[in-house]
Amino acid sequence: GAGVSQSPRYKVAKRGQDVALRCDPISGHVSLFWYQQALGQGPEFLTYFQNEAQLDKSGLPSDRFFAERPEGSVSTLKIQRTQQEDSAVYLCATGGGRALYEQYFGPGTRLTVT
Amino acid sequence: GDSVTQMEGPVTLSEEAFLTINCTYTATGYPSLFWYVQYPGEGLQLLLKATKADDKGSNKGFEATYRKETTSFHLEKGSVQVSDSAVYFCALTPTNSGNTPLVFGKGTRLSVIA
Repeated sequence: GAGVSQSPRYKVAKRGQDVALRCDPISGHVSLFWYQQALGQGPEFLTYFQNEAQLDKSGLPSDRFFAERPEGSVSTLKIQRTQQEDSAVYLCATGGGRALYEQYFGPGTRLTVT
Repeated sequence: GDSVTQMEGPVTLSEEAFLTINCTYTATGYPSLFWYVQYPGEGLQLLLKATKADDKGSNKGFEATYRKETTSFHLEKGSVQVSDSAVYFCALTPTNSGNTPLVFGKGTRLSVIA
């Protein structure tokens, strides 16, 4: 498929475990965004890449959250020592090229911390 | 900072009824405005957009007009269908140049009954 894909779709982690969430962007999209969506809320910005450069990480809630995009394509969002308040859906969106104003969203990863 | 406020749901309508979902924003500069839709079990999809004042975005029978004087971007549809049942998010990007992080409202759940 040509859309944004994310894996895993669902993740259950025990409190204190580390997790890694993957985003595969649409080919050719230089911009990549991570958002966090709590239950019943709108998505909230976490961090933004243009190619491999992380241009804005102001939305990351703590230093337990880390994101990378080493080759300017696939991105990984890592959460260390997960806490219950990290339970949410993590959304990846990509854009750029002809999609100048549009962001295309993946299906999300639902993280549940027990 | 920039923010989006949209009417709280849930909104329940009968098929063929007229729909309005109010959205107002606070932003410095000249934001671009968007409506995204999230159908049950699916990811966020762009419904329509407007990038400058007085622009009207439209798609699938939905419309919204960028009103700078009232800082609003209300979503309307003349005759809703059961298939329009979804959560609708109003959003903005702070500039109209390039791909920048989206700021979302909290979402409005619409249920259309036959």
